[in-house]
Amino acid sequence: ETGVTQTPRHLVMGMTNKKSLKCEQHLGHNAMYWYKQSAKKPLELMFVYNFKEQTENNSVPSRFSPECPNSSHLFLHLHTLQPEDSALYLCASSQGPQGGEKLFFGSGTQLSVL
Amino acid sequence: DQQVKQNSPSLSVQEGRISILNCDYTNSMFDYFLWYKKYPAEGPTFLISISSIKDKNEDGRFTVFLNKSAKHLSLHIVPSQPGDSAVYFCAARGSGYALNFGKGTSLLVTP
Repeated sequence: ETGVTQTPRHLVMGMTNKKSLKCEQHLGHNAMYWYKQSAKKPLELMFVYNFKEQTENNSVPSRFSPECPNSSHLFLHLHTLQPEDSALYLCASSQGPQGGEKLFFGSGTQLSVL
Repeated sequence: DQQVKQNSPSLSVQEGRISILNCDYTNSMFDYFLWYKKYPAEGPTFLISISSIKDKNEDGRFTVFLNKSAKHLSLHIVPSQPGDSAVYFCAARGSGYALNFGKGTSLLVTP
């Protein structure tokens, strides 16, 4: 079993749909992250949670809504997305919230918005 | 504005030779640097890191060099193997929680 599990692996949705991405970490880490990777762009940090509390929102549009019910689970709720939101969404975790900690990534959800 | 730059989108190297992947950064406050490796359909995995107080860190076939005055770091893979074919991301830590990533360099090691 991998340390960080993301579901679904692939998602196609229309602009009016509501969907959720799920992430679960089995590493006992305290911090969880959502990153976005668009084509030909660097990984962009979206949200950081430390001990279930959101500590960073990197100017992400409100059509992306994160939820962290406990230190092991992280969700990204999606609604009324735009085609330019199509990207690979990566979840990661680390022992602590500092950026220098090694991040452990999931395999990502490849999202296509039609 | 992109603070971590990997100017070579791709690199092709023959098996057994040295692979050198380069990374430049603009923020002199970065104090910790990491390399991640990513295979298709998988998330990035940590490879090696270096603190700004060092200029070299070695782990098996992988060595990272840091030149702070030039704001440049490089990853050397010796000898290169076909299984090293992947996308390599450079990342740097500043203040706050974010790691700043480069766009990645796709390495192809040919037999």
